[in-house]
Amino acid sequence: TQLLEQSPQFLSIQEGENLTVYCNSSSVFSSLQWYRQEPGEGPVLLVTVVTGGEVKKLKRLTFQFGDARKDSSLHITAAQPGDTGLYLCAATSGTYKYIFGTGTRLKVLA
Amino acid sequence: DVKVTQSSRYLVKRTGEKVFLECVQDMDHENMFWYRQDPGLGLRLIYFSYDVKMKEKGDIPEGYSVSREKKERFSLILESASTNQTSMYLCASSSTPIYEQYFGPGTRLTVT
Repeated sequence: TQLLEQSPQFLSIQEGENLTVYCNSSSVFSSLQWYRQEPGEGPVLLVTVVTGGEVKKLKRLTFQFGDARKDSSLHITAAQPGDTGLYLCAATSGTYKYIFGTGTRLKVLA
Repeated sequence: DVKVTQSSRYLVKRTGEKVFLECVQDMDHENMFWYRQDPGLGLRLIYFSYDVKMKEKGDIPEGYSVSREKKERFSLILESASTNQTSMYLCASSSTPIYEQYFGPGTRLTVT
């Protein structure tokens, strides 16, 4: 069974701090997505990575796909209260079926 | 921008009722998905459709059925709602089976 393990599960930090969220698996994936979900809303796509070693930046967010395409990280620089939410990674091995991580719940305190 | 809309944000139904959840996407995507999201269990796939009138069971199809009569619309049907179907239901669409699912805002269903 393919699994995506996210860590940490919960994170509470002060505004201005940096943080990294990890998404790990023993399986190889053809693509991986990161989403942010706010309470009572659907997940919003942040980025898709498809190439091993790929790094993508979205303002203060930096996403990296592992060289072996088994893992990914999301780094947030100078976190702001607006970054608060549930961060989900999702991956596929090339079929319609996506595997979702259990999520990292981030709270950024002003 | 891709837009996926769901018919209701909040829904309260009684045990045994038949429930319809509707999802519409405006980007001509071939693929549409229904998930439920529960605390501690993450997102679980209920059904998937890759074309009009085509459907495949996901991981937890029991107690649910789906209908896709038009490309832009994918409906989830709870034939006889039960309390264990109380959940957040999320619809998603994608243009291929490989990349980038886009989600609707979700329907919070409570079955009493």
